[in-house]
Amino acid sequence: SAVISQKPSRDICQRGTSLTIQCQVDSQVTMMFWYRQQPGQSLTLIATANQGSEATYESGFVIDKFPISRPNLTFSTLTVSNMSPEDSSIYLCSVERDFITEAFFGQGTRLTVV
Amino acid sequence: AQKVTQAQTEISVVEKEDVTLDCVYETRDTTYYLFWYKQPPSGELVFLIRRNSFDEQNEISGRYSWNFQKSTSSFNFTITASQVVDSAVYFCALSEVKTSYDKVIFGPGTSLSVIP
Repeated sequence: SAVISQKPSRDICQRGTSLTIQCQVDSQVTMMFWYRQQPGQSLTLIATANQGSEATYESGFVIDKFPISRPNLTFSTLTVSNMSPEDSSIYLCSVERDFITEAFFGQGTRLTVV
Repeated sequence: AQKVTQAQTEISVVEKEDVTLDCVYETRDTTYYLFWYKQPPSGELVFLIRRNSFDEQNEISGRYSWNFQKSTSSFNFTITASQVVDSAVYFCALSEVKTSYDKVIFGPGTSLSVIP
């Protein structure tokens, strides 16, 4: 298994500001994933981050709103930019090890935008 | 298109009852994985099981059991002798095989409440 640490675990932010969420893995992984879970909803994939290349965004998500960095094989950040109350969600980081299709998740970041 | 359906939005059972959570999936892939995750009120996502499409054996782990039936595209999850700690939202998920990674598609979830 993989141990994934996300920071912050929760935050309350003012609209119009940005928040950067960090995801640290205890071992090297190829793919890292960022998900959003809106209140009472299921998980939706925002983007896939592969080290050394641009993140791949899913339909409905754009880089200007959710820029992602992946500087090395154990770390990634997701920024939620120019926040509005609609961005209030749980954001989860996930990893998949090489050849092992089993998603490991961080504990999530509960974001509330006021 | 890949899709996961969990028809039961909410289920309530009395402690010690058995409960089955339904999951039906759609995929064109011949190779895929199915998952179950538990999300307790604290919010973290807990991995429960992964099953690949070529392994239709049912699995039992303590009070948990899973019934995979390819013929009906179902991957149901049964909790035997439910406990209050089983109260959570349960997600069924399906991997979609991409070129360099597998995209996991989640069902809408079933909220289980176990009443003491």
